Amino acid sequence: RKEVEQDPGPFNVPEGATVAFNCTYSNSASQSFFWYRQDCRKEPKLLMSVYSSGNEDGRFTAQLNRASQYISLLIRDSKLSDSATYLCVEEGGTYKYIFGTGTRLKVLA
Amino acid sequence: DVKVTQSSRYLVKRTGEKVFLECVQDMDHENMFWYRQDPGLGLRLIYFSYDVKMKEKGDIPEGYSVSREKKERFSLILESASTNQTSMYLCASGLGGSGETQYFGPGTRLLVL
Repeated sequence: RKEVEQDPGPFNVPEGATVAFNCTYSNSASQSFFWYRQDCRKEPKLLMSVYSSGNEDGRFTAQLNRASQYISLLIRDSKLSDSATYLCVEEGGTYKYIFGTGTRLKVLA
Repeated sequence: DVKVTQSSRYLVKRTGEKVFLECVQDMDHENMFWYRQDPGLGLRLIYFSYDVKMKEKGDIPEGYSVSREKKERFSLILESASTNQTSMYLCASGLGGSGETQYFGPGTRLLVL
């Protein structure tokens, strides 16, 4: 069983919509989680870290649900430029970063 | 801005060739990583290094070796390239510590014929 699981999508949403992705993880002891964004044929870049208390950065909100072992990413007021693949990452131990396969988002005009 | 550079964006090699992929970071980061990314499999860790001359195996080290002679440079070596090593190779660096941000290079797309 893969340790970090994501719905591959694609999620096709109109501009201005709100969209949410979930990512499940299997190691209940994991402490740190992240969302990275990867544009087509580019390298991943950190979008935001996920804290136990939740984390908000502009239109983006990340949350952690330890009881159900998932993290979520909410994007409000989607822009065309939000089109990308969003990678969920779990820090499963020292230097052990487990990447999900990504959820593809397409924002349509 | 952190900059991580990789020696080549695209590389075509023949089976059995020795391949060197180089990665350089300019932020004095302790940690450096090599991943490969394949469709449907996500990023998988090949090797990482937490200090000069130190290296640890990741999840898929077979067929690869690494070298870190200087803090800013981390090399990935394919001793004898095989077709199943055709992939996108991504280098990353990080400051260290729990919750570190990883900064990725632009990637090297390697095709082994």
